[in-house]
Amino acid sequence: GAGVSQSPSNKVTEKGKDVELRCDPISGHTALYWYRQSLGQGLEFLIYFQGNSAPDKSGLPSDRFSAERTGGSVSTLTIQRTQQEDSAVYLCASSPTRQGWNTEAFFGQGTRLTVV
Amino acid sequence: TQLLEQSPQFLSIQEGENLTVYCNSSSVFSSLQWYRQEPGEGPVLLVTVVTGGEVKKLKRLTFQFGDARKDSSLHITAAQPGDTGLYLCAGANQAGTALIFGKGTTLSVSS
Repeated sequence: GAGVSQSPSNKVTEKGKDVELRCDPISGHTALYWYRQSLGQGLEFLIYFQGNSAPDKSGLPSDRFSAERTGGSVSTLTIQRTQQEDSAVYLCASSPTRQGWNTEAFFGQGTRLTVV
Repeated sequence: TQLLEQSPQFLSIQEGENLTVYCNSSSVFSSLQWYRQEPGEGPVLLVTVVTGGEVKKLKRLTFQFGDARKDSSLHITAAQPGDTGLYLCAGANQAGTALIFGKGTTLSVSS
């Protein structure tokens, strides 16, 4: 597809279960980002990939959160032992070059995670 | 810690009115971006301002970057219902590895 694709679009899980969220960036985009958006909290940075490496993972809130990227393309965000406070919309973005300057970030539609 | 503060948090106006939303920080940014987000969608870039004092216009939207590159504003002239959405300002963190976002201004324009 032409844009950033995220799956699933919605996920309801029980507290304590593990979840995997997937992001397919725009083809050729080397930079990939994960953000979390909670009501009234804006977008919270989680992790940045350049290619397959993650030079900045400072935003991951706990060791229950991890992410990987393979083949310089698809990325998976994994949340282990989910808690109710993990409920949020998880957004993935990609950009053609290293972020931080004037490059536009292209966002997916997000995965709405609800932990019950 | 770099923070971007946006005001107002919520704005509800009638079609045809003018409005301004603000994005302020105590930190200097090399550039600032404005995004608009509609329900169920990801943010979409509206504009990037780079030079202190810069003014950019996008139809009825006017964006300004402060002289000191610590703040920005978005002015909408003659707002329309289609302008409804969440407006977010963003700037690069010092490491250049991520965009920092403000909490946004939720705009509702009724006809």
